[in-house]
Amino acid sequence: EAGVVQSPRYKIIEKKQPVAFWCNPISGHNTLYWYLQNLGQGPELLIRYENEEAVDDSQLPKDRFSAERLKGVDSTLKIQPAELGDSAVYLCASSLGVGSYNEQFFGPGTRLTVL
Amino acid sequence: QQPVQSPQAVILREGEDAVINCSSSKALYSVHWYRQKHGEAPVFLMILLKGGEQKGHEKISASFNEKKQQSSLYLTASQLSYSGTYFCGTRGFGNEKLTFGTGTRLTIIP
Repeated sequence: EAGVVQSPRYKIIEKKQPVAFWCNPISGHNTLYWYLQNLGQGPELLIRYENEEAVDDSQLPKDRFSAERLKGVDSTLKIQPAELGDSAVYLCASSLGVGSYNEQFFGPGTRLTVL
Repeated sequence: QQPVQSPQAVILREGEDAVINCSSSKALYSVHWYRQKHGEAPVFLMILLKGGEQKGHEKISASFNEKKQQSSLYLTASQLSYSGTYFCGTRGFGNEKLTFGTGTRLTIIP
């Protein structure tokens, strides 16, 4: 079974430029998460989708970040414009559901460097 | 609030045992443990639900004391492959997000 797929794996951009990350969750997983992970820190939730609906986006900086999950499968996270402080690893995860019994499967992440 | 993990880092020789602790200031419904190797995705280890249950997975086991809002991860007879950063993720009652701790870096040396 294929795991969570993310692309690109690495991205280097200059500040004020836009950037987009793509995630393909495990087939059949209804719940999709985007996390931000700073160096030496644990993942922090940015947004959670139940199918195509964003049900928790309270931690998403909406002035520059946006996300979508078309048809309840793939998802894209966008930053426009990027700032130096956005340099981090952006992780995508998926699970069958949102309950505590459902483990989250993480993708390898996209390492963003903003110069 | 973010759970607190201890120790922050530990170095062991192969075959030694380790305990990693995770404490929360809020009532917990479940604790999730993950291991992340450098540059890789976090990998799920186990989930513990309220009720003080204890789980085991080969030589890795964990306990959850809901009264103390603490969980501990036990690694027995550590192997080189156990090296990595261990994160606990905690979830409160209700449909709440998983909040991860700051991690414990475990290094196993031959």
